[in-house]
Amino acid sequence: DTGVSQDPRHKITKRGQNVTFRCDPISEHNRLYWYRQTLGQGPEFLTYFQNEAQLEKSRLLSDRFSAERPKGSFSTLEIQRTEQGDSAMYLCASSSGQEYSPLHFGNGTRLTVT
Amino acid sequence: AQSVSQHNHHVILSEAASLELGCNYSYGGTVNLFWYVQYPGQHLQLLLKYFSGDPLVKGIKGFEAEFIKSKFSFNLRKPSVQWSDTAEYFCAVNDWMDSSYKLIFGSGTRLLVRP
Repeated sequence: DTGVSQDPRHKITKRGQNVTFRCDPISEHNRLYWYRQTLGQGPEFLTYFQNEAQLEKSRLLSDRFSAERPKGSFSTLEIQRTEQGDSAMYLCASSSGQEYSPLHFGNGTRLTVT
Repeated sequence: AQSVSQHNHHVILSEAASLELGCNYSYGGTVNLFWYVQYPGQHLQLLLKYFSGDPLVKGIKGFEAEFIKSKFSFNLRKPSVQWSDTAEYFCAVNDWMDSSYKLIFGSGTRLLVRP
């Protein structure tokens, strides 16, 4: 178990720029989740993949956000035309296909939009 | 939609004091319940989980939690805290009806243990 890895750890960007984050889940975990966490709040669900299929997106997720998991392994989360309100920690988590298996989280990517 | 409430945002204790962190969820269906911990500079880690059976569950590092269905609660306890328990604690729930098994988190409780 090498854990969930996320890249980069930190990203500073100017408002209006596009950013892309990468997540490598634990190998053979077929479920992958993206969450967002702001200061003083718990992680907020953004989207979920089972293998390469994106099966659920939060209704709160702006259409500036898009996520992919093209081969059912790593995933990318892209934010277009970033806004200051997008500043947050973006967390990735994965779990096995077994029922009730817990989510394993990465260290996150901290995004700062200036 | 399911939601989770954690009543205490900040808790300060001295070493050896007892700890109880409150957690309530909103939906009365069948749920799975979790406590996660985030130590400074580290990722979220699973502390303990409840799926079914004995409502008193034991986790790592001496933590335990009790599921009380009638109160929609899943409070976290530890009889004697240590300085190393300083961290942020998150309660989370997922719904058996939700095929994604995604977790809904509370806002967290930041615990500071003074030596």
